[in-house]
Amino acid sequence: DGGITQSPKYLFRKEGQNVTLSCEQNLNHDAMYWYRQDPGQGLRLIYYSQIVNDFQKGDIAEGYSVSREKKESFPLTVTSAQKNPTAFYLCASSIGLVKNYQPQHFGDGTRLSIL
Amino acid sequence: SQELEQSPQSLIVQEGKNLTINCTSSKTLYGLYWYKQKYGEGLIFLMMLQKGGEEKSHEKITAKLDEKKQQSSLHITASQPSHAGIYLCGAHSGAGSYQLTFGKGTKLSVIP
Repeated sequence: DGGITQSPKYLFRKEGQNVTLSCEQNLNHDAMYWYRQDPGQGLRLIYYSQIVNDFQKGDIAEGYSVSREKKESFPLTVTSAQKNPTAFYLCASSIGLVKNYQPQHFGDGTRLSIL
Repeated sequence: SQELEQSPQSLIVQEGKNLTINCTSSKTLYGLYWYKQKYGEGLIFLMMLQKGGEEKSHEKITAKLDEKKQQSSLHITASQPSHAGIYLCGAHSGAGSYQLTFGKGTKLSVIP
């Protein structure tokens, strides 16, 4: 079955540590996204990528980094510069044809906590 | 920047009752999406609306788009416990934009 796989489901970060969240899709989608969800705040866009080897900052990119070396993969690194990383992180993908709007499809999320 | 306001923030209904959730945009709507989320899980796509006056249905859930009011409504008929969860609306940040802006969600509880 096609879909988006996020791993791990739960992740713990120590002070000063960088951690990487994995996101893999087999939907053959061009566009991929990372969102952060905090209680009562809805989803906020961190980074997005329209095509391999290209990505753009979203609304809250500070303290995060991404790469898009393969179409299927869009890992997110939460760096030590992100002072409040505790949140639920969601990865999504879409076909990428903005001419005819297409929905974003989401993974099951990764919950990141501080140790 | 665009903002999406959802109302109500939370809703508790008796099983079998009908309910409506609203999503109002501060700017022109370019594609409006409805998603459902269960706690601690990802978002499940329900429906997309593009044109003013458009109405779509899936099982007992109907969504409508009022372009003039910059508003969409989600109506559930004869609610069931399986309808419980958080409903979120999302819309493109502008014409031709990949980015989606989301509302803060409406938490729905259905009492058997």
